[in-house]
Amino acid sequence: GAVVSQHPSWVICKSGTSVKIECRSLDFQATTMFWYRQFPKQSLMLMATSNEGSKATYEQGVEKDKFLINHASLTLSTLTVTSAHPEDSSFYICSAPSALAGGYEQYFGPGTRLTVT
Amino acid sequence: AQSVTQLGSHVSVSEGALVLLRCNYSSSVPPYLFWYVQYPNQGLQLLLKYTTGATLVKGINGFEAEFKKSETSFHLTKPSAHMSDAAEYFCAVSVSQAGTALIFGKGTTLSVSS
Repeated sequence: GAVVSQHPSWVICKSGTSVKIECRSLDFQATTMFWYRQFPKQSLMLMATSNEGSKATYEQGVEKDKFLINHASLTLSTLTVTSAHPEDSSFYICSAPSALAGGYEQYFGPGTRLTVT
Repeated sequence: AQSVTQLGSHVSVSEGALVLLRCNYSSSVPPYLFWYVQYPNQGLQLLLKYTTGATLVKGINGFEAEFKKSETSFHLTKPSAHMSDAAEYFCAVSVSQAGTALIFGKGTTLSVSS
C-alpha cells in the first residue's frame, strides 16, 4: 500500500530557531499534501494544503510566515517552523491522498514531535 | 460544511466486553467516512472506511462500522475488547471531491481493563 514518511520523527530545538520537517510519499506521487497539527490529547487540526509547484493554502488562523510550506516535487513537501516558540511544540502530521484509492483516502505519515525549549 | 461529532471523549470497557464508539457526521454531500486508531506517540492507522456500497464495513483487528444515512451515524464496534485495543480513536469525514483533506472528530480514548 501507499506509504508516507516523515523526517525527523522527533526534534528538540531552542526558542528562536527554525525547524524543517519533511513529508515524503514513497511509492506514489502526490500533487497535494496536507499538514495537520495535534496538541496533546486533542484531535488533528488541518493547518494547510501543500500544492506541488504553487503556493500553499493555509487555514484560517495559521500564520503563513511562521509555517512555511514548500512542495517542490511530486513526492516531497516540507514544513518549516520559523522562529519557533514553546507554544509551537506539538505533533505535526502530514498526509497525502492516493490515486490508488480514488483520491478519497488519505495516507498519513507517522508524525513529527516538535519540542521547543 | 462537513463536521464530525464523537460522543464520549473517554470510553472504558472490560476485556472481552463489547466496544462501541459513537460517531455522527454532518455533510451536505454523500460522505466518505473513516475510522483511525492512534497509539501514543504514533501516527494514524486506518481501521476501516466507507465509500460506497455495503453499509456494514469490516476493518482490521476485528472492528466494524455501519453507515446509517438516516441517523447520520458511523459507529465503530468490536464484539470483544482486547487489552491491545486501548488507544485513541478518530472518526473522520471526507467530502466527495477527491483530494480534499479529512475533517476529524475530537477523538475517543478507549481504555480496556482486565
